[in-house]
Amino acid sequence: NAGVTQTPKFRILKIGQSMTLQCAQDMNHNYMYWYRQDPGMGLKLIYYSVGAGITDKGEVPNGYNVSRSTTEDFPLRLELAAPSQTSVYFCASRPNSGQGDPYEQYFGPGTRLTVT
Amino acid sequence: GENVEQHPSTLSVQEGDSAVIKCTYSDSASNYFPWYKQELGKRPQLIIDIRSNVGEKKDQRIAVTLNKTAKHFSLHITETQPEDSAVYFCAASKDFGNEKLTFGTGTRLTIIP
Repeated sequence: NAGVTQTPKFRILKIGQSMTLQCAQDMNHNYMYWYRQDPGMGLKLIYYSVGAGITDKGEVPNGYNVSRSTTEDFPLRLELAAPSQTSVYFCASRPNSGQGDPYEQYFGPGTRLTVT
Repeated sequence: GENVEQHPSTLSVQEGDSAVIKCTYSDSASNYFPWYKQELGKRPQLIIDIRSNVGEKKDQRIAVTLNKTAKHFSLHITETQPEDSAVYFCAASKDFGNEKLTFGTGTRLTIIP
């Protein structure tokens, strides 16, 4: 298994541009998450999904959108990028009941985004 | 909502000594408390977790203790090694099925050879 993959690894955006951060997992996990990690800070939940077609807001959803059309993919959309969105973005997934430890979240390698 | 505070923000210990990192949480309904380790430039990885029905859990050199009355939990690393150098994050959430994991701000642990 490739686990949780994210693309791109790095990206520089100009203020007002838009982009989509890609996240995919090949473990058939229903639960997926998007976090942002600002320098010297912990992770903050942006959006999460409990299965295809179901998404919900986390702690810091403003300025972002998500969709979950398949179990494997959970893209994060940034519209009208702002400097405050400069951060490292992590996608994560966790097993379903019966697949293993359902509490453990598996993280992707992250996307480092700079908005200037 | 839940608020998780973590101390200290940085910690340096001699190799072979013990390290303790402490977290407090605000929501008495929280009952799941994981600890994640993040090496420089890498992704966070779960190292140990505890649920509210136990007071302590050990895994080799790592242990976590939980005091629900005081709403605090701690990570203990014994016989520290250079590879323990990393940033450690605590987190808290409510019942399984509530997906909102709230993280602390992290502790940068440095092991001095």
